[in-house]
Amino acid sequence: GAVVSQHPSWVICKSGTSVKIECRSLDFQATTMFWYRQFPKQSLMLMATSNEGSKATYEQGVEKDKFLINHASLTLSTLTVTSAHPEDSSFYICSAPRGPYNEQFFGPGTRLTVL
Amino acid sequence: SQQGEEDPQALSIQEGENATMNCSYKTSINNLQWYRQNSGRGLVHLILIRSNEREKHSGRLRVTLDTSKKSSSLLITASRAADTASYFCATAPTGANSKLTFGKGITLSVRP
Repeated sequence: GAVVSQHPSWVICKSGTSVKIECRSLDFQATTMFWYRQFPKQSLMLMATSNEGSKATYEQGVEKDKFLINHASLTLSTLTVTSAHPEDSSFYICSAPRGPYNEQFFGPGTRLTVL
Repeated sequence: SQQGEEDPQALSIQEGENATMNCSYKTSINNLQWYRQNSGRGLVHLILIRSNEREKHSGRLRVTLDTSKKSSSLLITASRAADTASYFCATAPTGANSKLTFGKGITLSVRP
C-alpha cells in the first residue's frame, strides 16, 4: 500500500525557534497533501491544503505566516512552525490522497513540544 | 457542529464481543471513510464506502451507509485486544475536492 513518511517523529524546541516538519509520499506522487494538528484526546483539525507548485490553502483561523507550507515537489511537503510558542505544542499529521476516491494515506505524525 | 459525529464517544467491550460505532454527517458526500488511530500514532485507513454503496465488508469489518439518514456504522466482529484504539469517520465532499472532514472519534477499549 501507499506509504507516507514524516520527519522528525518528535521534536522539542525552545520558544521562539522555528521547526520544520517534512512529509513525503514514498511510492506515489501527490499534487496535494494535507496538514492536520491534533490535541490530546481530540480529533484531527485540518490546518491547510498543500498544493504542489502553488500556494497552500489555509483553513479559517490558521495563520499562514506562522505555519509556512512549501510543496516543492510531487513527493515532499514541508510545514514550518515559525517562532514557536508553547501553545503550538501538538501532534502534527500529514496525509496525501491517492486513487479514484482520494483515499487518504497518513504519515505517522510529529510530536512537537515547545518549552 | 462537526461534519462526521460519532457515537458513542467511548466504548468498552470484552474480547470476542462485537463493537458497533456510528457516525452521522450533515452535508452531501462522495464517500465516507473510517480510520483507526493507536495512541500517539498516525491514522490507518480501514475502509471506504462510496455514496452509492450501502454495505461493505473487509475482514472483520462491516460498514454500512444510509445516505437518506446521513449516517454510517462500523461493526468490528469478534473483537481483539489489539483493536483497542480510537476510530474516526471522515467524509469526503461531492466534487473534486479531496479534503476530508473528521468526526471527533470513538475510543474503543477491548478488555482481554
